[in-house]
Amino acid sequence: QSVLTQPPSVSAAPGQKVTISCSGSSSNIGNHYLSWYQQLPGTAPKLLIYENNKRPSGIPDRFSGSKSGTSATLGIAGLQTGDEADYYCGTWDSNLSAWVFGGGTKLTVL
Amino acid sequence: QITLKESGPTLVKRTQTLTLTCSFSGFSLSIYGVGVAWIRQPPGKALEWLALIYSNDDKRYSPSLKSRLTITKDTSKNQVVLTMTNMDPVDTATYFCTHVPNTSGTFDYWGQGTLVTVSS
Repeated sequence: QSVLTQPPSVSAAPGQKVTISCSGSSSNIGNHYLSWYQQLPGTAPKLLIYENNKRPSGIPDRFSGSKSGTSATLGIAGLQTGDEADYYCGTWDSNLSAWVFGGGTKLTVL
Repeated sequence: QITLKESGPTLVKRTQTLTLTCSFSGFSLSIYGVGVAWIRQPPGKALEWLALIYSNDDKRYSPSLKSRLTITKDTSKNQVVLTMTNMDPVDTATYFCTHVPNTSGTFDYWGQGTLVTVSS
């Protein structure tokens, strides 16, 4: 049971936009920066979004992040088949004194 | 260019101690605020943070695994070592080390990971 809650799976057609939610509490998302990671099959996770809504160099602006209260959302526009991956949210939890992740969301591009 | 690579045994027996080494380049652990973390992922499951060490030798551990973990650094060798005692088959996972640029908790560069299998 992950501290952060994500939907197990989402799907959309190529070219469409999809959003992935990440729900937590005041001890984690509500008071700390959130990051998003993309894990393509068989590879290590890759940082997509940091500090809620910032993109590292090289990450296209098709990827966006937002946070409101104790929830956050990753948006992926202009879906491509290469976006098929598992996506994880992560942040610090001050009650647990630990970095925590969501259970991951598998994105299928139909 | 920051790179990290994990190394260690691929197979350990139950109750043994696992020692993993993270060798990195492109940054120094002598720079204030920089850190290296270990994160694992059991097959088909989610990511789990294990430990983190900062340049000032501040160490953080997962509360659920704290009694079994030790993280150390060798700044001159650009290496971070994680030891986990009393290994169990449930510890079978891919273990990743990551660069941590500051205290915001972002894991911005990851090693390729190393799969450790624990036999019973």
